[in-house]
Amino acid sequence: DTGVSQDPRHKITKRGQNVTFRCDPISEHNRLYWYRQTLGQGPEFLTYFQNEAQLEKSRLLSDRFSAERPKGSFSTLEIQRTEQGDSAMYLCASSSYYEQYFGPGTRLTVT
Amino acid sequence: ELKVEQNPLFLSMQEGKNYTIYCNYSTTSDRLYWYRQDPGKSLESLFVLLSNGAVKQEGRLMASLDTKARLSTLHITAAVHDLSATYFCAPQNYGGSQGNLIFGKGTKLSVKP
Repeated sequence: DTGVSQDPRHKITKRGQNVTFRCDPISEHNRLYWYRQTLGQGPEFLTYFQNEAQLEKSRLLSDRFSAERPKGSFSTLEIQRTEQGDSAMYLCASSSYYEQYFGPGTRLTVT
Repeated sequence: ELKVEQNPLFLSMQEGKNYTIYCNYSTTSDRLYWYRQDPGKSLESLFVLLSNGAVKQEGRLMASLDTKARLSTLHITAAVHDLSATYFCAPQNYGGSQGNLIFGKGTKLSVKP
């Protein structure tokens, strides 16, 4: 399978814990995006990488969130001190010039 | 700031009928995407519309883009139950973040026999 992959697919954590998600983009894509989707809403942009450089962060990305893309390959999204409001589907997309392909998502539940 | 409005938000159709979903957006964008999402799943790409006047068709779905009116439509012909899903339009944002997509709230389509 050469699509976008994400790990884990589901994560349940207690409030206050840290969590980290991983995204493996399509290998030849140099652009990578993170989005968050809550129930009944469309995805919202979080942050964007071109190769290893993080070029933009949404105002939705509070100081508790950090993302990396070492060597311009896979990316990680870490949430520190999780809150119940962080419960959502976290989607990663990688992009060629014409298309943005989405991974299967990581569903986070904060209890 | 680019904003997107889809309507209707909910659409209940009978099989065999035709309908159109509308997507309006607030500022200039030359590229617009349509995605389908099934419950609990990720987004499946349907169409990428790259220029004014672009029209693309796949099966019972046809999408068009009018960049001057800032309007895209997704037309459903002779609906079948398998088309039941949520459909999102997403123009590409060039204003700040070099290409992230701005999504509407989605149109939840239910096709009934």
